Amino acid sequence: DGGITQSPKYLFRKEGQNVTLSCEQNLNHDAMYWYRQDPGQGLRLIYYSQIVNDFQKGDIAEGYSVSREKKESFPLTVTSAQKNPTAFYLCASSNRVEAFFGQGTRLTVV
Amino acid sequence: GENVEQHPSTLSVQEGDSAVIKCTYSDSASNYFPWYKQELGKRPQLIIDIRSNVGEKKDQRIAVTLNKTAKHFSLHITETQPEDSAVYFCAASMGGQGFSFIFGKGTRLLVKP
Repeated sequence: DGGITQSPKYLFRKEGQNVTLSCEQNLNHDAMYWYRQDPGQGLRLIYYSQIVNDFQKGDIAEGYSVSREKKESFPLTVTSAQKNPTAFYLCASSNRVEAFFGQGTRLTVV
Repeated sequence: GENVEQHPSTLSVQEGDSAVIKCTYSDSASNYFPWYKQELGKRPQLIIDIRSNVGEKKDQRIAVTLNKTAKHFSLHITETQPEDSAVYFCAASMGGQGFSFIFGKGTRLLVKP
């Protein structure tokens, strides 16, 4: 959908390691979001950002961190403090008239 | 804070029956309401949307209705087929200072052949 790209598609992490998930958009959207999705479940908001250099915690921010140094980019770091990080992570971006999702990153802790 | 509630969380129907998913929103300034379909392991894709100046919109077997007074909107799928099985998300644009979209938590639809 549109020009929002997540990478990598699959990611494996050893316990105790931090990993960073990439999300880039070329849609000139001001807002970007990170969601976590567990099997058979809906979306849970981790963090969101409305403008550059500003972001807010969502419902499940513990163990995650983000940055928004550029409008196009909103990387998510899953830290070792996240006790159950294995999940499907979706990034989205929007303005006030459209919203698109990236293709997702499946993170597995091994 | 602003919120979008989506119900039910799971829905099972027989092939050929209709399916209805409902969402309510809290921001009276919301004026755009998209619906997304997510197939297993894939990203949610926009399937239909409606703007606040319209009460209903149809696209083949899917339709969306909007009741601005009651602040709710619904997705209707008629003559369901097994390929309609997926997770469906609603969303509402935000008119105020909050972030520009809020998504519902999703409905898992299972169409039994």
